Amino acid sequence: VQLQQWGTGLLKPSETLSLTCGVSGESFTSYYWTWIRQPPGKGLEWIGDINHTGGTNYNPSLKSRVTISIDTSKNQFSLKLTSLTAADTAVYYCARGRQQWLVYDYWGQGTLVTASS
Amino acid sequence: DIHMTQSPSSLSASVGDRVTITCRATQSIAMYLNWYQQKPGKAPKVLIYAASNLQSGVPSRFSGSGSGTDFTLTITSLQPEDFATYYCQQSYNNPRTFGQGTKVEI
Repeated sequence: VQLQQWGTGLLKPSETLSLTCGVSGESFTSYYWTWIRQPPGKGLEWIGDINHTGGTNYNPSLKSRVTISIDTSKNQFSLKLTSLTAADTAVYYCARGRQQWLVYDYWGQGTLVTASS
Repeated sequence: DIHMTQSPSSLSASVGDRVTITCRATQSIAMYLNWYQQKPGKAPKVLIYAASNLQSGVPSRFSGSGSGTDFTLTITSLQPEDFATYYCQQSYNNPRTFGQGTKVEI
């Protein structure tokens, strides 16, 4: 199983972050496809997840600005985060969550997204 | 939200030492507790899931215990490659939350 992520790394405040995670070597069913972020030098924050039917869960602290979507035909899922501020500067990771215990057992390589004017 | 508190936030240890990290939840999470190891510039790696289950491929010197609100990660005989930051994570409900991390240093 491999997760490969891509997207724009440098954005201006108020712009929209857009990242995509491609999954190879595994079916999309039976997992929660997840986005997690980590500000520089800080801990991990769960952003939200999506299952293969498109059902989503979001962190209430970000819910008004976040959209996670899935394209099962391409084995990809995506993250959009609107109205960026400097506080959104972080390394963003995609990850696979196993359904039974919601443990994240495969991760993307991470993408540093910087929101700066 | 369920808040996860790890202690200590950092510790110094030597190769061969036994290391214990604790994680406390603000409400019962049964056994919905996972542990991760993160090295600088890398994605986290799962060590333990469901409080005490060793992830495939993880050395047996790592072990987890606990249930309810109090959990422990133990590393017996610390190895050079174990110097890293460790995080607990609850998967009992949304939003999933992580502890603040414990940095294990030489």
